[in-house]
Amino acid sequence: NAGVTQTPKFQVLKTGQSMTLQCAQDMNHEYMSWYRQDPGMGLRLIHYSVGAGITDQGEVPNGYNVSRSTTEDFPLRLLSAAPSQTSVYFCASSLDSYNEQFFGPGTRLTVL
Amino acid sequence: QQQVKQSPQSLIVQKGGISIINCAYENTAFDYFPWYQQFPGKGPALLIAIRPDVSEKKEGRFTISFNKSAKQFSLHIMDSQPGDSATYFCAASISYTGNQFYFGTGTSLTVIP
Repeated sequence: NAGVTQTPKFQVLKTGQSMTLQCAQDMNHEYMSWYRQDPGMGLRLIHYSVGAGITDQGEVPNGYNVSRSTTEDFPLRLLSAAPSQTSVYFCASSLDSYNEQFFGPGTRLTVL
Repeated sequence: QQQVKQSPQSLIVQKGGISIINCAYENTAFDYFPWYQQFPGKGPALLIAIRPDVSEKKEGRFTISFNKSAKQFSLHIMDSQPGDSATYFCAASISYTGNQFYFGTGTSLTVIP
């Protein structure tokens, strides 16, 4: 099993550009989430999904979109990148809300 | 507003000592409290977790103590080793509402040989 994979590992964008961060898992997990990690702020939940076709907002959803068309994939879209979105982004998956969340290796995004 | 407050921000412990990290929460609906360990350049990994129906859980050198009335929980690392040097995050969730986890701000632990 590859676990949770994320691409790209690093990305630099200009303000206003859009892009999609990819996340995939091969553990047949229903639950998937996106977090951003900023110094001194821990991890903050952006969006989450409890199954294919079901998504919901977390703490900091503004400026981000998600969709979940398959169990395996949960892409995160930045619609119009802003410097405030400079962060490290982590995707995570779990069987359900009582089981271990497995995190991907992260994507380091810089918006200039 | 930080749903889960974590302290200290950083901690330096001698090898063989006890490392203690504390977290506090306000929302009494939280019913799952995991601790994560993160090494530089890596994603967080689950270390140990507890539910509020028990006051303590131990796995090897790692122990969670849970005080429901005080709305506090803590991580104790016994016989701390240099390999334990990492950032530790506490978290809390309400399992029946889905998958919303709230994380503390993290504690950077350094274990000195």
